[in-house]
Order: sequence, then C-alpha cells, then structure tokens
Amino acid sequence: GAVVSQHPSRVICKSGTSVKIECRSLDFQATTMFWYRQFPKKSLMLMATSNEGSKATYEQGVEKDKFLINHASLTLSTLTVTSAHPEDSSFYICSARGLAGASSYNEQFFGPGTRLTVL
Amino acid sequence: KNQVEQSPQSLIILEGKNCTLQCNYTVSPFSNLRWYKQDTGRGPVSLTIMTFSENTKSNGRYTATLDADTKQSSLHITASQLSDSASYICVVTSRTNAGKSTFGDGTTLTVKP
Repeated sequence: GAVVSQHPSRVICKSGTSVKIECRSLDFQATTMFWYRQFPKKSLMLMATSNEGSKATYEQGVEKDKFLINHASLTLSTLTVTSAHPEDSSFYICSARGLAGASSYNEQFFGPGTRLTVL
Repeated sequence: KNQVEQSPQSLIILEGKNCTLQCNYTVSPFSNLRWYKQDTGRGPVSLTIMTFSENTKSNGRYTATLDADTKQSSLHITASQLSDSASYICVVTSRTNAGKSTFGDGTTLTVKP
C-alpha cells in the first residue's frame, strides 16, 4: 500500500520557537494532503487541506498565521507551528490522497504522526 | 450537519472472542466509508473502504458491512488477538463539499488475555 512518512516523529521545543513538520508521500503522488491534530483519547480534528501549488484551506478556528502550510511538490507538504506555546502541544498527523483517476484517490493514507511538546 | 457516530465508545473483550463495532452517519451525498485502526501514538491504518454499491468487505479477520439505505456500517473482528487492542475510527467522505471527510470519535477496543 501507499506509504506516508512524517518527520520528526517527536519534537520538544521551547515556548516561542517555531517547529516544522514534514509530510511525504513515498511511493505515490498526492495532489492533496491533509493536516490533523489529535488530542488524547479524541479523534482526529482536521486543521487544513493542502493542495499542491496553491494556498491551503484552513478549517474554521485554525489560525493560518500560526500554522503555516506549504505544499510545494506532489510528494511533500510541511506544517510550521510558529511561535509555539504549551497549548500547541499535541499529536499532529498528516494524510495524503492520490491523484484524481488513480486508485489511491478515494483513500487517505496517514502518516505515523508527530508528537509535539512545547515547554 | 454531517455527522458520524460510533458505538460503543469503548469495549473490553477476551482474547479469541469476536466483537462488532457500529458506525452511523448522516453524511450526504455519500462517497465512501472507511474503517481505520489506530494504535496508541501512531497514525491510522486503513482496514477497509466501501463505496455505495458495496455491502461487505473483508480484510483478514476484519469484516466491514455497509447499509447505505439506513446509513449504518459495522466492523466485525473475528477471533480477536491482543494486537487488536487499538482505536477503530469510522470515516465517511462526502461526494461533494470538496470530498470532505467526517471522522467518528472512534471505539477503543481492549483485548485481554
């Protein structure tokens, strides 16, 4: 099956710093990637939809200036948490959807997640 | 408003037993329904995906059913193993609304020896 990687898997940073999380589709091209945030014992909460070559679409209540998303290629999307605060500590997960017309289009393949801890 | 409701919220069973998880949805128009398994601290892994015309789909010991008329789905796990302990998430995708997916809150399954 299609593989999506995330890097780093864990990151600890100081309050006020910025953290970049990478999401890569390893064996397929993804026009669309999704970024989720997950709190303990809760389901995934969609933060934004990232389309290659265009601006991301953010969900209501998600600050676009705080969570910067870049999707510069068909295999890479990045999420940058700017000026991180302790309340940004969470589990961040990305997923990727294959190209329209491909068998992977109706699927979302998830990355393994990134645990962010802001001190 | 599109919603996906899963039940039970949590479930504890003994190793070797079977169990069934439920998913009811109001997403319309319907595109597909997917079941994922998420281990603690990991990303979700796809188990099954079903479109409107599919009633059942199996993946090893996992069998998903779909009734598009009543908008219900179930995930049946046969002969449970300790490694089945995880959260099981039902995700329904709309055919419009930019293909947006609605996630259920998941069912936490614990398999005990």
